[in-house]
Amino acid sequence: EDQVTQSPEALRLQEGESSSLNCSYTVSGLRGLFWYRQDPGKGPEFLFTLYSAGEEKEKERLKATLTKKESFLHITAPKPEDSATYLCAVQSSGTSYGKLTFGQGTILTVHP
Amino acid sequence: DAEITQSPRHKITETGRQVTLACHQTWNHNNMFWYRQDLGHGLRLIHYSYGVQDTNKGEVSDGYSVSRSNTEDLPLTLESAASSQTSVYFCASVREVGETQYFGPGTRLLVL
Repeated sequence: EDQVTQSPEALRLQEGESSSLNCSYTVSGLRGLFWYRQDPGKGPEFLFTLYSAGEEKEKERLKATLTKKESFLHITAPKPEDSATYLCAVQSSGTSYGKLTFGQGTILTVHP
Repeated sequence: DAEITQSPRHKITETGRQVTLACHQTWNHNNMFWYRQDLGHGLRLIHYSYGVQDTNKGEVSDGYSVSRSNTEDLPLTLESAASSQTSVYFCASVREVGETQYFGPGTRLLVL
């Protein structure tokens, strides 16, 4: 059974204080790992897809990396507008219907 | 712009009533999904569809049904609402399995 564990559950940062969010996963063959951002009262918003170990992707202050067992979302010099819940999900190559298995998310709060 | 919409955004109903939540996407995606999001459980798959007339059960499908009469819509029906179905419901769609799933804004359902 696919499993995704995100840590920490909550993270408080000062503006400009860089940090990382962790997503550990167990899957029977990884088809893709997805990062989403979710603001209160809204649906998940796509950030990145990573397909193979060693892959990295960047967008503004965010950088996602992938190993065979985990993914990191690095946040460089965060701003208050980066405050949100960050969700990680995996898709197994063993599933034929595109099911995503989600972690429970990391709630990020950036204080000015 | 293409988009995915859900209605209603908020719904209060009573135990035992039938409730239908609407999902409409204008991307012409064949694959559509329904998830529920609860504290402590993250996002869990309820039902999914690969195309018109195709419907399949996800991991938490008991008490729910879907129908797919066209490409754009996948309504979710709660046959007899229960308090355990109080949740936030998200619809998602994707062009091809393995690609990014895009989520709607969600429906917050309260069953009294």
